[in-house]
Amino acid sequence: NAGVTQTPKFQVLKTGQSMTLQCAQDMNHEYMSWYRQDPGMGLRLIHYSVGAGITDQGEVPNGYNVSRSTTEDFPLRLLSAAPSQTSVYFCASSYSGQSTGELFFGEGSRLTVL
Amino acid sequence: AQTVTQSQPEMSVQEAETVTLSCTYDTSESNYYLFWYKQPPSRQMILVIRQEAYKQQNATENRFSVNFQKAAKSFSLKISDSQLGDTAMYFCAFTTSAGGTSYGKLTFGQGTILTVHP
Repeated sequence: NAGVTQTPKFQVLKTGQSMTLQCAQDMNHEYMSWYRQDPGMGLRLIHYSVGAGITDQGEVPNGYNVSRSTTEDFPLRLLSAAPSQTSVYFCASSYSGQSTGELFFGEGSRLTVL
Repeated sequence: AQTVTQSQPEMSVQEAETVTLSCTYDTSESNYYLFWYKQPPSRQMILVIRQEAYKQQNATENRFSVNFQKAAKSFSLKISDSQLGDTAMYFCAFTTSAGGTSYGKLTFGQGTILTVHP
């Protein structure tokens, strides 16, 4: 049971380049989300999904795009990378229904934009 | 909007001693969950302890316990018998539970770096 798997774990981009952070979970969780972690700011929600075909914006969605075609996968796309998007990105999933809200996290992806 | 504040950027403690990390939150909701997550140098986010707002009894998990003061909107974490492996960043987090579900949306505090010294 792999849990939540993120790839790549490290990436360096140049300003203006695009890329996709992949996220997959094998726990059959309906809810998936992307967070970014910056020093002194904790983790902030970028986008989230409550099921296949349903996504919504979080606190800091600008510059990012998501889609959810399957229950298992929730990729995060950077359309035109900017230095302000240098961060550590976490994908997370959680059980739907009557739940306690606990998130299961991937190992994180460190992105540097030059 | 909900906010979570951790006012201690860094804390240190000697091995085997007790340390308390502070967290306050602001919300108008009545049903919610509170969490403490641990992030060791490996970067992995690990759930330490969870508290349901409707429960008056403070949650406990082995050496970890919380002091949940609902009226004061305070949620501190006490680590007893500190171990070197407790060295990590600790995040306090909050989620509402409207209809019994949080939709996977958590609000995190800024984090507290805890160092346990031998």
